[in-house]
Amino acid sequence: KAGVTQTPRYLIKTRGQQVTLSCSPISGHRSVSWYQQTPGQGLQFLFEYFSETQRNKGNFPGRFSGRQFSNSRSEMNVSTLELGDSALYLCASSLVPGQTYEQYFGPGTRLTVT
Amino acid sequence: ILNVEQSPQSLHVQEGDSTNFTCSFPSSNFYALHWYRWETAKSPEALFVMTLNGDEKKKGRISATLNTKEGYSYLYIKGSQPEDSATYLCANTGNQFYFGTGTSLTVIP
Repeated sequence: KAGVTQTPRYLIKTRGQQVTLSCSPISGHRSVSWYQQTPGQGLQFLFEYFSETQRNKGNFPGRFSGRQFSNSRSEMNVSTLELGDSALYLCASSLVPGQTYEQYFGPGTRLTVT
Repeated sequence: ILNVEQSPQSLHVQEGDSTNFTCSFPSSNFYALHWYRWETAKSPEALFVMTLNGDEKKKGRISATLNTKEGYSYLYIKGSQPEDSATYLCANTGNQFYFGTGTSLTVIP
């Protein structure tokens, strides 16, 4: 079974631009979560999608948004990029949302904002 | 907020040593505790999901225990090998996963 895939793997953008990251979950998984990791910080929860609906959102500004498609693939968008948005963005999928379901992570997208 | 603290932040051990590290969480806000291993240049990989007080899980040389009353979980590695070098993350789950900052383990051959 193929794992979680994320594209692109690396990205360099300029302040003020916007970016879209893509995540394809494991086949059959319907829940997708997004995380940001910056140096010295743990994985910070961005949002979770299930059945094309955002279930939860972390404490991030409105510049961060996402969506999920009917095939469970998900995208996240960051508008008006700031230097502080430079980070590793990970997505994770699980069968369904739930506290006891393991999340399977993708390799991440490394975003650098200059 | 389901604050999760991990200690130590980093650890260097010799090959063959056994080691353990701690994940602490508010005992009043416990739902489930997840352990992940994150090797450099790879994706985080799930190790254990623990839900009940007194839970013990084992996978090969790695095991974990859970004390929900006092709000901690221990991860043990017996006879550490260089391939165990990774960052070990724990997460408490409510309506989302709350991750700690991890313990970075380096096993010296």
